[in-house]
Amino acid sequence: DGGITQSPKYLFRKEGQNVTLSCEQNLNHDAMYWYRQDPGQGLRLIYYSQIVNDFQKGDIAEGYSVSREKKESFPLTVTSAQKNPTAFYLCASTGTRSKTSSYYGYTFGSGTRLTVV
Amino acid sequence: AQSVTQLDSQVPVFEEAPVELRCNYSSSVSVYLFWYVQYPNQGLQLLLKYLSGSTLVESINGFEAEFNKSQTSFHLRKPSVHISDTAEYFCAVSETGGSYIPTFGRGTSLIVHP
Repeated sequence: DGGITQSPKYLFRKEGQNVTLSCEQNLNHDAMYWYRQDPGQGLRLIYYSQIVNDFQKGDIAEGYSVSREKKESFPLTVTSAQKNPTAFYLCASTGTRSKTSSYYGYTFGSGTRLTVV
Repeated sequence: AQSVTQLDSQVPVFEEAPVELRCNYSSSVSVYLFWYVQYPNQGLQLLLKYLSGSTLVESINGFEAEFNKSQTSFHLRKPSVHISDTAEYFCAVSETGGSYIPTFGRGTSLIVHP
């Protein structure tokens, strides 16, 4: 079945360490997104990529970095510069980078819960 | 710029009772509107969407939402809830021009009691 795979499901990190969250999709979608979810805050956009080898900052990009070397993969690195990294991270994708994406909505992965210890 | 307000952070209700989850949006242009559902420790799933046409849209599991342009609202309703409907519900708005990237509300936790 097609979908988005996020790994690991739970991740613990020591302060000062960088950590990379994996996101892989086999839906042949062009556009991929990273969101951060905190209790009572909804979803906030970190980065998005609408085509391979290109990505854009979202609303809260500071302390994060991404790459998009393959259509299927969009890893997110949480760097030591991120002041409060403990959160639930969601990866999503849509079919195209045009308004058609809105016609189908987003497909989400099952998330990675990151805890800084 | 677009914005979304979900007026209730938590809605407790008894099983088989009706429920309404409220959503208001703000935008200077035409919009697409969505409701997503999130079960504990999972990602979001698209529940229903309004793109154009009929202002009343329905999902396969009995939820419906009505687009009201004059009141800039897109409230979600279900006439009789089940325990299994307990989840977090997110309203989202996407402007029809520009990047089409949606803005999400802060979510409403629906808690169905037996």
